[in-house]
Amino acid sequence: DTGVSQDPRHKITKRGQNVTFRCDPISEHNRLYWYRQTLGQGPEFLTYFQNEAQLEKSRLLSDRFSAERPKGSFSTLEIQRTEQGDSAMYLCASSLTMGSTDTQYFGPGTRLTVL
Amino acid sequence: QKEVEQNSGPLSVPEGAIASLNCTYSDRGSQSFFWYRQYSGKSPELIMSIYSNGDKEDGRFTAQLNKASQYVSLLIRDSQPSDSATYLCAVNFNTDKLIFGTGTRLQVFP
Repeated sequence: DTGVSQDPRHKITKRGQNVTFRCDPISEHNRLYWYRQTLGQGPEFLTYFQNEAQLEKSRLLSDRFSAERPKGSFSTLEIQRTEQGDSAMYLCASSLTMGSTDTQYFGPGTRLTVL
Repeated sequence: QKEVEQNSGPLSVPEGAIASLNCTYSDRGSQSFFWYRQYSGKSPELIMSIYSNGDKEDGRFTAQLNKASQYVSLLIRDSQPSDSATYLCAVNFNTDKLIFGTGTRLQVFP
């Protein structure tokens, strides 16, 4: 257990529904990352926050995806109008930036299945 | 285009042998390199980080970095069946986010 928690661990939804995932980072960590992983692939970067500021969004992140990190603590990732192609493991990671080092620790992930 | 390449495997080694996992990357300016282990259905677990050329040892694991040749490797000594997993190489190309390879599946047989 890295100290990063994610909720829910599994989500099954029907195409067209909205879903929201939550990530709680390690308490003193200032950065929080979202990645998506599909079968047989490595995780792909989606977006990240430093404190409450969203610093980068991947071109993979369509307009249906939105992420927030109010007050620089937990983060939510919302997917609107889900599609079958959104089925994947959604991973959250957190890190404490110290100089040039930034080691990311992953939570257990949320597995999304879109029917 | 920042890329990280790994052989998908599977790499099969007998119990007690040394497993050697390799990774190449596309940008010589990269500073940070990581190895994660991922069991089936689970999330990535950090094994090693390495930032400077040379070797870094932690227990049965040794990471090796050669920036001039743009490769990083992971050696696992005295391999155990519990080491059977997918090993992900990740690189920070000085952009804060990690770029992952597709992973190498390691099988350690008794």
